[in-house]
Amino acid sequence: DIQLTQSPSFLSASVGDRVTITCRASQGINNYLAWYQQKPGKAPQLLIFAASTLQTGVPSRFSGSASGTEFTLTISSLQPEDFATYYCQQLKSYPITFGQGTRLEIK
Amino acid sequence: EVQLLESGGGLVQPGGSLRLSCAASGFTFSRSAMYWVRQAPGKGLEWVSAMSGSAGTTYYPDSVRGRFTISRDNSKNTLYLQMNYLRAEDTAVYYCAKDLRTFGDLSGYLDLWGRGTLVAVSS
Repeated sequence: DIQLTQSPSFLSASVGDRVTITCRASQGINNYLAWYQQKPGKAPQLLIFAASTLQTGVPSRFSGSASGTEFTLTISSLQPEDFATYYCQQLKSYPITFGQGTRLEIK
Repeated sequence: EVQLLESGGGLVQPGGSLRLSCAASGFTFSRSAMYWVRQAPGKGLEWVSAMSGSAGTTYYPDSVRGRFTISRDNSKNTLYLQMNYLRAEDTAVYYCAKDLRTFGDLSGYLDLWGRGTLVAVSS
């Protein structure tokens, strides 16, 4: 199975900050990677697919990038509604796997 | 309105069975691959099953293979998950989710999720 390791697991930041979350895959996944945002008590929402393609309706302050087996989600200027948990997901092969999550909280 | 609505969750004893349903509306259900994803209390996301739009292809992780069965009725726009031989570690909120693609194939990108239904396995 392909393992995804997110870092950090917990992040404290302020409104207006630029933040970066990293997801490292245990093997090559050819950019078959998605990012999701989940708020407490709610279902996840797709933010980015194919490592860097912004899903329709997602604000442009979110962006994704890839370098080998390392993937990055960047939020350019944190807004109050961005405080949530973020997950990466790989689609290169079954079983589909998710990272353990990164909880982003207000400083 | 485009939405997914799960039902069928509840409390069940270890070894018991439960069938979840997911009613879809607002999109062409038969052209969408569908998935089940679960989340144990306070934990992360775990993919549970996947089915192509035509129902010709299914996938399961080792943790549920042989115990869970995904199915769909395209005439009723409904996805199902039959869960047998339930264990305490199956306790979770179960979400159904729709594939981003509209050709019925399995990309794995999940662009629409239901609110989830809670399954609790306990004696």
